[in-house]
Amino acid sequence: GDSVTQMEGPVTLSEEAFLTINCTYTATGYPSLFWYVQYPGEGLQLLLKATKADDKGSNKGFEATYRKETTSFHLEKGSVQVSDSAVYFCALSSGGSNYKLTFGKGTLLTVNP
Amino acid sequence: DSGVTQTPKHLITATGQRVTLRCSPRSGDLSVYWYQQSLDQGLQFLIQYYNGEERAKGNILERFSAQQFPDLHSELNLSSLELGDSALYFCASSDSPNSPLHFGNGTRLTVT
Repeated sequence: GDSVTQMEGPVTLSEEAFLTINCTYTATGYPSLFWYVQYPGEGLQLLLKATKADDKGSNKGFEATYRKETTSFHLEKGSVQVSDSAVYFCALSSGGSNYKLTFGKGTLLTVNP
Repeated sequence: DSGVTQTPKHLITATGQRVTLRCSPRSGDLSVYWYQQSLDQGLQFLIQYYNGEERAKGNILERFSAQQFPDLHSELNLSSLELGDSALYFCASSDSPNSPLHFGNGTRLTVT
């Protein structure tokens, strides 16, 4: 079945540091890939997505590129801020009419001033 | 604000009891999804409804059931509760199969 593996946290960075959170997946066919972010006490919010190989999703300075050859979708940001502190989830959907998202376990990011 | 409303925010109950969690999707969204988030299992897909009909089932226990009503709100019923059912339960909605999911803020269930 579908599965998502993302790097275990927690990740602690200083403000303005470079961020990478690794994500790899296993799926049949050609899934769509997503990064969701969960701030304390809130639900998950879509951060970015990519629907086909070599697509780059981007939002709020975050980027991730759909790499079919390495089955990866790593999240990057060039300069993190304290407000980026949250839990980040990589997810995939195999599509079809049953839109079931399979999530990774989440990576807690803490950014210190 | 995602537009998805979940009630209650917190629920504390005893083992063996039954509870109902409620979700109102974003206006216009026909699909509702339920997820369970726990420390050991992460985010697990439970069940999906589309316009009142069950569409997909995930790791939902037989003690759990759900339904989506004509006004599109959904309820998740958890019965014969066990300590291990303590978790955060999220509802999400979307307007079409390939649209992103919009999550509510969750209901935190504590079983004592």
